[in-house]
Amino acid sequence: EPEVTQTPSHQVTQMGQEVILRCVPISNHLYFYWYRQILGQKVEFLVSFYNNEISEKSEIFDDQFSVERPDGSNFTLKIRSTKLEDSAMYFCASRLGLGTNQPQHFGDGTRLSIL
Amino acid sequence: AQTVTQSQPEMSVQEAETVTLSCTYDTSESDYYLFWYKQPPSRQMILVIRQEAYKQQNATENRFSVNFQKAAKSFSLKISDSQLGDAAMYFCAYEELVFGKGTKLTVNP
Repeated sequence: EPEVTQTPSHQVTQMGQEVILRCVPISNHLYFYWYRQILGQKVEFLVSFYNNEISEKSEIFDDQFSVERPDGSNFTLKIRSTKLEDSAMYFCASRLGLGTNQPQHFGDGTRLSIL
Repeated sequence: AQTVTQSQPEMSVQEAETVTLSCTYDTSESDYYLFWYKQPPSRQMILVIRQEAYKQQNATENRFSVNFQKAAKSFSLKISDSQLGDAAMYFCAYEELVFGKGTKLTVNP
């Protein structure tokens, strides 16, 4: 069964550095999402992406964050200048469409540790 | 703003027994989706069950069912005949935007 894949599984970065988290959604999916989960806390929506543009974003998704689908297969999340509080699990998800029989598929996540 | 509340940080159940996980939410919308996701220790979140708010009939997926009370804004998950593999974090979600803090379910053999 096709899966959403995320790389790397664990990223350690110095505070203030830029980081790019990568996701390869399922190939025929059209809607893409990023979430984060701070250790021990709830999953938080960051952004959704459709037709090469952001369709919705949360308050968390400020100017430090950006998303891109550079080559039609990857879907990346960039954090420009990381802060300690950016340490979290970041999950990518994709879905074929918005119909009831087209659920989101999540990746395994990238654990981001900011030192 | 929409909110989702899961009041049970942890629950435990004996194998083969039934357990109910609570979820309440708040929204001013009339049409929306509610979800329960399972997050095993392997970390990948998996959709367990989905409910459309305009449907009065409670959703059911094999051993998983919901008790959806729209007026009370309540959306509980019932797991029947619990299995060891059901042990995980369970998240209730409004649309795919707002998640609860999760309930850690332990299944005792």
